[in-house]
Amino acid sequence: KQEVTQIPAALSVPEGENLVLNCSFTDSAIYNLQWFRQDPGKGLTSLLLIQSSQREQTSGRLNASLDKSSGRSTLYIAASQPGDSATYLCAVTYAGGTSYGKLTFGQGTILTVHP
Amino acid sequence: EAQVTQNPRYLITVTGKKLTVTCSQNMNHEYMSWYRQDPGLGLRQIYYSMNVEVTDKGDVPEGYKVSRKEKRNFPLILESPSPNQTSLYFCASSSTLIFGSGANVLTFGAGSRLTVL
Repeated sequence: KQEVTQIPAALSVPEGENLVLNCSFTDSAIYNLQWFRQDPGKGLTSLLLIQSSQREQTSGRLNASLDKSSGRSTLYIAASQPGDSATYLCAVTYAGGTSYGKLTFGQGTILTVHP
Repeated sequence: EAQVTQNPRYLITVTGKKLTVTCSQNMNHEYMSWYRQDPGLGLRQIYYSMNVEVTDKGDVPEGYKVSRKEKRNFPLILESPSPNQTSLYFCASSSTLIFGSGANVLTFGAGSRLTVL
């Protein structure tokens, strides 16, 4: 069974810092990995999707990397801002037996950026 | 506007009273899925559908049913709700979630908060 772990569970940083969020998964036979943002009481917003054949994806101040062989992904946020405060979740899509649309989420990292 | 719409957004019901949470998307997406989010347990997949008439179990399907008769709709049915199904439910959709260059991100609905007394 696929398990996804995110470290740290919570992170508090001052504005302007660069930071790294970590995601690890146990089964490397994945199709893709996505990073999401969730604001309190809201739904999820997709940030980046990395396909299994890719090593990284970038969007603005965000950069996500993927190392399938080691079962790890990182989300790098440059020059953090108070508006980045949210819960960040990673999720992997994988084949579970005959099912090929299974998706497992990590528990998330709660990020607080203070002015 | 491209979106996933869930209804109801909030619902309080009693044990055993059948209910349906609707999910509709206007993006012509093939893939649709349901999740529940619980404190300490995170988001867990309930069911998913690769296309019309094709559904499969996620990690926590017990107590739920789904159907995919049309591409745009993917309702979640609780035949006999129990208090342990009190949760925040999310529906999501995507086109060609899985393979190669066609893979696209998941678009989520705003969520449905269900309380079963």
